[in-house]
Amino acid sequence: QQQVKQSPQSLIVQKGGISIINCAYENTAFDYFPWYQQFPGKGPALLIAIRPDVSEKKEGRFTISFNKSAKQFSLHIMDSQPGDSATYFCAASINSGYALNFGKGTSLLVTP
Amino acid sequence: DTGVSQDPRHKITKRGQNVTFRCDPISEHNRLYWYRQTLGQGPEFLTYFQNEAQLEKSRLLSDRFSAERPKGSFSTLEIQRTEQGDSAMYLCASSPPGSGAETQYFGPGTRLLVL
Repeated sequence: QQQVKQSPQSLIVQKGGISIINCAYENTAFDYFPWYQQFPGKGPALLIAIRPDVSEKKEGRFTISFNKSAKQFSLHIMDSQPGDSATYFCAASINSGYALNFGKGTSLLVTP
Repeated sequence: DTGVSQDPRHKITKRGQNVTFRCDPISEHNRLYWYRQTLGQGPEFLTYFQNEAQLEKSRLLSDRFSAERPKGSFSTLEIQRTEQGDSAMYLCASSPPGSGAETQYFGPGTRLLVL
């Protein structure tokens, strides 16, 4: 079964706007939460990741917000650009392990 | 290019045929992973190697699937008696010694279409 639930399935944002993608999980053993970006014809590439000991992590225009009690985390893309148009996947894993459990993905389109 | 490479990039086959994919990890990465990605879905974990040892296999890896990493470098994924449901993107990833789920670098994938 899907261990990580992601929403929305698709998202259209105007250039300069904020893109927000949400994920939820059930397994409290998860302790590593990465976001991957995938362009057509390419493999996923790690964008940013967080561990549950912090509530927020920011790298440039990308921010992860993490709510441990709600078992939810989200990706915020500030000042969205057309070049950000891609599919974004949240994932979760038990760091002592190796398998990444991915959400179903969000197709983001940033319009000029 | 020193990233993960996969070959072929595309494969079209008829139902019932066998296919084999190859993955070359980043140099000195001793951990190698295979994932399957179907249309509109996220990647699903298939199997994991540390050096030449296959340490974990997902329930998704049916008896028709076999993966090897004979010398701890490149890996092959073979699908026997392909079915239309096998049509997917097969992704390989690698990570350096001492890392876990983090720092997995993905290749471009092999897209399989079973007719």
